[in-house]
Amino acid sequence: NAGVTQTPKFQVLKTGQSMTLQCAQDMNHEYMSWYRQDPGMGLRLIHYSVGAGITDQGEVPNGYNVSRSTTEDFPLRLLSAAPSQTSVYFCASSPRAQLAGGRNEQFFGPGTRLTVL
Amino acid sequence: GNSVTQMEGPVTLSEEAFLTINCTYTATGYPSLFWYVQYPGEGLQLLLKATKADDKGSNKGFEATYRKETTSFHLEKGSVQVSDSAVYFCALTGAAGNKLTFGGGTRVLVKP
Repeated sequence: NAGVTQTPKFQVLKTGQSMTLQCAQDMNHEYMSWYRQDPGMGLRLIHYSVGAGITDQGEVPNGYNVSRSTTEDFPLRLLSAAPSQTSVYFCASSPRAQLAGGRNEQFFGPGTRLTVL
Repeated sequence: GNSVTQMEGPVTLSEEAFLTINCTYTATGYPSLFWYVQYPGEGLQLLLKATKADDKGSNKGFEATYRKETTSFHLEKGSVQVSDSAVYFCALTGAAGNKLTFGGGTRVLVKP
């Protein structure tokens, strides 16, 4: 199993540009999520999905869109990049809590480092 | 809402020293508690977890005990190695969900 994969690893954008960060998992996990990591602030939840066709907002959703058309993929779209979105982005997946006996362990991808100029 | 507070770093230690990273939390009900580790240039890996009060999670020489009375989940290791240099995150999920709430992270640097 490849686990959770993310592309690209690095990206530089200009203010106002749009782009999509890709995330895929091959563990048949129902739950997927996107976090951003900023210095001193830990990881903050952007959006999450409990299954194909179902998404919801996390703590910091503004400026980001997601969709979940398949179990495997969960792309994150930046509609109009801003310097405040400079961050490291992590995708994670896990079995749904009830199905995993409440273990709730999440598996993280290697991250995408995004710089917005 | 849920929150996690952990000691700020960086924490600098010599090899074979004792490491403690404090973590306290605020949550309703009975959360599950986790420590994740992030090595330089990598994503997060689960280090250990505990799902109910008085549980002790352990892995790679690290330990943490779920203390409901003090709402704490402090991470300890008796003898650190240079390879333990990383950022450590305390986190929790609510009783029935998958959403993780993270602390701010503690950078640990172990010198030979």
